[in-house]
Amino acid sequence: QLQVVESGGGVVQPGRSLRLSCAASGFPFTTYGMHWLRQAPGKGLEWVAGISNDGLNKYFRDSVKGRFTISRDDSKNTVYLQMNNVRPEDTAIYYCAKANGWCTNGLCYQNWWGQGTLVIVSS
Amino acid sequence: DIVMTQSPESLAVFPGERVTISCKSSQSVLNSSNNKNYLAWYQQKPGQPPKLLFYWASTRQYGDPDRFSSSGSGTDFTLTISSLQSEDVAVYYCQQYYSLPITFGQGTRLEI
Repeated sequence: QLQVVESGGGVVQPGRSLRLSCAASGFPFTTYGMHWLRQAPGKGLEWVAGISNDGLNKYFRDSVKGRFTISRDDSKNTVYLQMNNVRPEDTAIYYCAKANGWCTNGLCYQNWWGQGTLVIVSS
Repeated sequence: DIVMTQSPESLAVFPGERVTISCKSSQSVLNSSNNKNYLAWYQQKPGQPPKLLFYWASTRQYGDPDRFSSSGSGTDFTLTISSLQSEDVAVYYCQQYYSLPITFGQGTRLEI
């Protein structure tokens, strides 16, 4: 059964770092790109970052460029979101999601989402 | 960035009613090279992650009930629920994946 499970959320002080993990199973991991999206409490959805199936291409929204990195470890079927220099506006539930097949340049919809992990940036 | 605007923002309906949600994009999301609209719809029930309903504007995700339908092209799209069921209470989002950053509408909250 297809499954995506996020972990690593928590409370972090502004300016500090946090690494989110996303363990995937039930599908051929190396065939699909993976994305991170977020949802601030009581707010709408926001795309954060994506990585291609081969890990060679990475995409970010402007507000996190230079602060967040995305990577994948195909031996562990896991994708990571490294969050550096976090800000209060990064507070959100972070969802990891599987991208559709054959999408290019990060232009993908997300056809399976995890339950999310909550990140709170506060001093 | 492409701005996605949904209307209405919220809607109170009775079971069995027909529901229509509009989504407009600030620029066309139709790719003329493959004639595909890069538009998806998601359903998010309380306390749950979003669930894909439609992609390429009108292709229903496998397993979703056929009381849901989606149409539109270019900049104007519509999600329709032909006969609302209690389990359809959720927030519905449209999303464009035509250009980065991928963007969402603000959501439409359906209540019974």
